[in-house]
Amino acid sequence: EIVLTQSPGTLSLSPGERATLSCRASQSVSSSYLAWYQQKPGQAPRLLIYGPSSRATGIPDRFSGSGSGTDFTLTISRLEPEDFAVYYCQLYGTSPPMYTFGQGTKLEIK
Amino acid sequence: QVQLQESGPGLVKPSGTLSLTCAVSGGSISSKNWWSWVRQPPGKGLEWIGEIYQSGSTNYNPSLKSRVTISADKSENQFSLKLSSVTAADTAVYYCARHLGISGTRGFDFWGQGTMVTVSS
Repeated sequence: EIVLTQSPGTLSLSPGERATLSCRASQSVSSSYLAWYQQKPGQAPRLLIYGPSSRATGIPDRFSGSGSGTDFTLTISRLEPEDFAVYYCQLYGTSPPMYTFGQGTKLEIK
Repeated sequence: QVQLQESGPGLVKPSGTLSLTCAVSGGSISSKNWWSWVRQPPGKGLEWIGEIYQSGSTNYNPSLKSRVTISADKSENQFSLKLSSVTAADTAVYYCARHLGISGTRGFDFWGQGTMVTVSS
């Protein structure tokens, strides 16, 4: 079973700054099956990025995804106040077919 | 716009069976999408439970497989989750979600608002 490790656990930044969130897989994976979500308190997760660099419908272009192999990155170019939330990466594996989530990165206001 | 709505008991006794339903509107569960259940214990991360396709094919998280059944009711446009032999560790917010349906990629693009289920006597 593939394990996803997100870093850092908590990231403290100010509005306007650039955020770089990391997701590392325990073995090489297909980047097509990597996705990123944003979750705010009391809300369901929201799909941001899939495949691993395509933005979901309605997602601002300040959000971007990249990576391949075992290392993937979510970048938020200029933080807006509404971007402070918890971010999860997700991977689909085929043997067995299942989804795995990272443990999350909390992006907080500095 | 696809909407998903979870429903079911908010309290289940230990060793009992948790049963939830996800009603889908604005779309059909007979479409070329997989449909999943995901849960989140209080203050913790997300855990995928399992999925179902229009054909009835299912996949489950190996860690839960022995206790999980996901089924679909096309006539009601809804799908359901049953989790047996529950313990306090199954206390969580349970979400239903729709898969993107884009070939060669994965992701859940629509989610229900979630329903809290507590396992307690």
